[in-house]
Amino acid sequence: DIVMTQSPLSLAVIPGEPASISCRSSRSLLDGNGYNQVSWYLQRPGQSPQFLIYLSSTRASGVPDRFSGSGSGTDFTLKISRVEAEDVGVYYCMQVLQAPYTFGQGTKLEIK
Amino acid sequence: QVQLVQSGAEVKKPGASVRVSCKTSGYSFDDYAIHWVRQAPGQRLECMGWLTPGNNNLKISEKFQGRVTFTKDTPASTVYMDLRSLTSEDTALYYCSRDGGWTSGTTFFDYWGQGTRVTVSS
Repeated sequence: DIVMTQSPLSLAVIPGEPASISCRSSRSLLDGNGYNQVSWYLQRPGQSPQFLIYLSSTRASGVPDRFSGSGSGTDFTLKISRVEAEDVGVYYCMQVLQAPYTFGQGTKLEIK
Repeated sequence: QVQLVQSGAEVKKPGASVRVSCKTSGYSFDDYAIHWVRQAPGQRLECMGWLTPGNNNLKISEKFQGRVTFTKDTPASTVYMDLRSLTSEDTALYYCSRDGGWTSGTTFFDYWGQGTRVTVSS
């Protein structure tokens, strides 16, 4: 199975400040068509995960543009340009190149 | 609007089986795969597999093969997950989710059920 490793596991951010989460995969997630098969999710406290980004950098419909994804191959990053209170929760990266699809261990974002 | 509504919490004894349902609405049931994801306490999200109702395309993660079954009731727009031979390690929150990515050449889970808590305890 492809192993997804996130860092940091937790971070506390002042509202209005940026945040960055790293995700590294155990093998390249670049498919034969040149797309990176990685997505990002946010699980707010007590809620189901919600979809943020797919194909490494494409925002899902309705996701604020302060969220951005980047990376290729084995190294990926989720950035929040200006953290807001509603952004608290656990962020997960997920690879969908090869079944079983696998998630990172999660990064908990708190407001400082 | 798209909705996935799951059945209620279950408490089971070791060795028993559990069925979790996922009733969908707001879209064409046949066209989107339904994936099952579980979250055990303190563990990362874990994909169990999926079923595409329209063509019965089925994939079960090797970890769960022989213990899990995915079925559907098309008139009811509902997918079921049956898990057998339960142990305490199956205690988790189980989610169904819709794969909205097939038109984009990828997989992503754009809608999720509310989760079903399954507790396995003697």
